[in-house]
Amino acid sequence: DIQMTQSPSTLSASVGDRVTITCRASQSISTWLAWYQQKPGKAPKLLIYDASSLESGVPSRFRGSGSGTDFTLTISSLQPGDFATYYCQQYDSSSTYTFGQGTKLEIK
Amino acid sequence: QPQLQESGSGLVRPSQTLSLTCAVSGDSLSSGGYSWTWIRQAPGKGLEWIGYIYHAGSTYYNKSLKSRVSISLDMSKNQFSLNLRSVTAADTAVYYCARGKFYMDVWGKGTTVTVSS
Repeated sequence: DIQMTQSPSTLSASVGDRVTITCRASQSISTWLAWYQQKPGKAPKLLIYDASSLESGVPSRFRGSGSGTDFTLTISSLQPGDFATYYCQQYDSSSTYTFGQGTKLEIK
Repeated sequence: QPQLQESGSGLVRPSQTLSLTCAVSGDSLSSGGYSWTWIRQAPGKGLEWIGYIYHAGSTYYNKSLKSRVSISLDMSKNQFSLNLRSVTAADTAVYYCARGKFYMDVWGKGTTVTVSS
């Protein structure tokens, strides 16, 4: 089974900062990767799919990149509403899905 | 925009079966092109994919749950369901249903299920 490893587990940053979250797959998944944002008590929200495609309505300060085994989510200028937990998710050729363990983005 | 709404028992006894339903509005299960997915999140933990079903009825499950889980469709009611057998306290979680196309673009709000005697 494909394992997804996110880093860091926790990230402290300030409004206006540029931050990057990394997701690594245990084997190549091409660009079959999505990123989600989850706020406390809420369902996750899709941000990025196919590694770099921005979901409709998501601000352009969110950017996804990568292919194969290494992927990144970059937020170019943090806004107050961006402090949340972020998850990556792979969808591979075996038709199974796996989430990363999550990265909590905290206010410094 | 489609909407999904989970419902079902919020308290399940150990060894019993957890049963949840996801009602879909604004989209049709029979239209094809999407998978209908269940995901859960234990208290303070990350997201765990449970499984999904296509409109034609084919199902895919997380290997760690495969022996206990089943997902089914009810086209007449435009809803899909989750059954998880022989539950233990480790199955206590918020359960989400979602619409998928490899990635999940529409989610329900989630329903909390507690396994306790």
